[in-house]
Amino acid sequence: EPEVTQTPSHQVTQMGQEVILRCVPISNHLYFYWYRQILGQKVEFLVSFYNNEISEKSEIFDDQFSVERPDGSNFTLKIRSTKLEDSAMYFCASGSAGWTTGESDEQYFGPGTRLTVT
Amino acid sequence: QKEVEQNSGPLSVPEGAIASLNCTYSDRGSQSFFWYRQYSGKSPELIMSIYSNGDKEDGRFTAQLNKASQYVSLLIRDSQPSDSATYLCAVNRGGGFKTIFGAGTRLFVKA
Repeated sequence: EPEVTQTPSHQVTQMGQEVILRCVPISNHLYFYWYRQILGQKVEFLVSFYNNEISEKSEIFDDQFSVERPDGSNFTLKIRSTKLEDSAMYFCASGSAGWTTGESDEQYFGPGTRLTVT
Repeated sequence: QKEVEQNSGPLSVPEGAIASLNCTYSDRGSQSFFWYRQYSGKSPELIMSIYSNGDKEDGRFTAQLNKASQYVSLLIRDSQPSDSATYLCAVNRGGGFKTIFGAGTRLFVKA
């Protein structure tokens, strides 16, 4: 069964450093998402991406964050200058459909990358 | 007002019983509704999606949606200890749009 994969599973970085989190979405999916979950808190939407551009972003997704689909398979999240409060699990998700079809816009999550900023 | 609200629990049910999980949401423009299961330290796993008012059944799971009341629920029949997890309600205006998650309800199924 196809699945979303993410690398690395755990990333430790120092405050102020840049990190890139990588995701390989399910191959025929067109919509890509990043979420984060701080330990003990709820899953928070960061950004959605379709047709090589951002569809929507949350207030968390400020100028320190960027996303890219550098080739036909990878989807990346870059944090330019990490802060202690960026420590969280980061989940990538993908979906096959969107508002243009009205239904079946289910999203499937990858296993996550645990980011620890020291 | 929280955008998606769930009772944090824990909800404790005996094995074989029906577990009932509830969720309310504030955005009347919401179109798509999801239930995810999350085991501790793992990623959310999609259980059910529902888009129209009424019931939708899939195996032991039934999702119920009432848009007028802005209410979504999940029933788990014949609960098993392996169902013990946190259940997340998620809502959006359609794929590609911001998805809002509730904080989750912790379910314990006692053997």
